[in-house]
Amino acid sequence: RKEVEQDPGPFNVPEGATVAFNCTYSNSASQSFFWYRQDCRKEPKLLMSVYSSGNEDGRFTAQLNRASQYISLLIRDSKLSDSATYLCAVSHSNYQLIWGAGTKLIIKP
Amino acid sequence: GAVVSQHPSWVICKSGTSVKIECRSLDFQATTMFWYRQFPKQSLMLMATSNEGSKATYEQGVEKDKFLINHASLTLSTLTVTSAHPEDSSFYICSARQSGAINEQFFGPGTRLTVL
Repeated sequence: RKEVEQDPGPFNVPEGATVAFNCTYSNSASQSFFWYRQDCRKEPKLLMSVYSSGNEDGRFTAQLNRASQYISLLIRDSKLSDSATYLCAVSHSNYQLIWGAGTKLIIKP
Repeated sequence: GAVVSQHPSWVICKSGTSVKIECRSLDFQATTMFWYRQFPKQSLMLMATSNEGSKATYEQGVEKDKFLINHASLTLSTLTVTSAHPEDSSFYICSARQSGAINEQFFGPGTRLTVL
């Protein structure tokens, strides 16, 4: 079993809809959690860190559930430009990030 | 802030040659840099962790004599793919962790290597 798991998708979503996906992690000692966005043939870009209390940045909301060991990302009012692969990453105390395989999101007009 | 550059952005080379890729943190000091490889439609694979002034730590299955890493300063790490073969063709991405910061990593734009 992989330490960080994501549904690979693709999620095909109409423009304007709300979409959510989860990422589960197996190591309860994980300390930091992130969502990255990666466009085709580009490097990952940090979308947002995930805090224990949950956090929101515009249309994006991230939440952490330590009891069930998952993080979630919610995108409201989705735009065509949101189409990308969303990677979750988890780290322990040694600063290495453990990556999920990514969830592909396709927003359709 | 937190900009990481990578050079070259793409390279095509003949089998058997060596290729050096540079990763620089432009506006911050990075005590730790990471080198990843990503094959098409696959996730990032960590190759090695590079700490300034010390030897890199390689992940299992990554040949340290083939992928030479040097992290001579707080702003520069290099990856040299020695005696490259077609199966080494991939997207190589570095990332840097800002000294004293939480565990965020900032990525370079990547280097697309094609070995003929």
